[in-house]
Amino acid sequence: DAGVTQSPTHLIKTRGQHVTLRCSPISGHKSVSWYQQVLGQGPQFIFQYYEKEERGRGNFPDRFSARQFPNYSSELNVNALLLGDSALYLCASSFQISYSGTEAFFGQGTRLTVV
Amino acid sequence: SQELEQSPQSLIVQEGKNLTINCTSSKTLYGLYWYKQKYGEGLIFLMMLQKGGEEKSHEKITAKLDEKKQQSSLHITASQPSHAGIYLCGAAFNYQLIWGAGTKLIIKP
Repeated sequence: DAGVTQSPTHLIKTRGQHVTLRCSPISGHKSVSWYQQVLGQGPQFIFQYYEKEERGRGNFPDRFSARQFPNYSSELNVNALLLGDSALYLCASSFQISYSGTEAFFGQGTRLTVV
Repeated sequence: SQELEQSPQSLIVQEGKNLTINCTSSKTLYGLYWYKQKYGEGLIFLMMLQKGGEEKSHEKITAKLDEKKQQSSLHITASQPSHAGIYLCGAAFNYQLIWGAGTKLIIKP
């Protein structure tokens, strides 16, 4: 079975541009979460989606948005990119909506560089 | 807000030696996860602990959640080069995982 897949793996964008990151969860998983990881830090929670509805949002500006499609894949969109948005963006899928008692599976991440 | 503190931040260990990484929470933990990350890559699941006093082992890695459920430790016995990487603890809280900053482990040959 395929694991969590993210695309693209690497991306270079200019300040002010828009970016879309994609994630396909493990088959059968209905929950997808997005995290931002800046170099040298732990991941920071951005969003969680379950059954196509937003079920949690971290402390990120409105420039960040996401959605989940009927096939449970997900997109993370970031508008008006800033240099500080440069980070590794991680997608995690899980079977249940809550992480209590269930393992989260992570993709390899998308490395975004804003110049 | 709930925070997790990991110690040490980095660790250099001679191959074959034992080591321990700690994760401390300011609040009671209801689910504690340990993951390993290679530089710039995704996270690989190691252990999940839920009950106070719980201890789990996989190969040479053992994780414990203390009785009061506010601290966890990860112990590696007879370290190998394959153990090198960044170890992250995460705590389940509502619909998200809160993460420690990570412990960078380097194994010297």
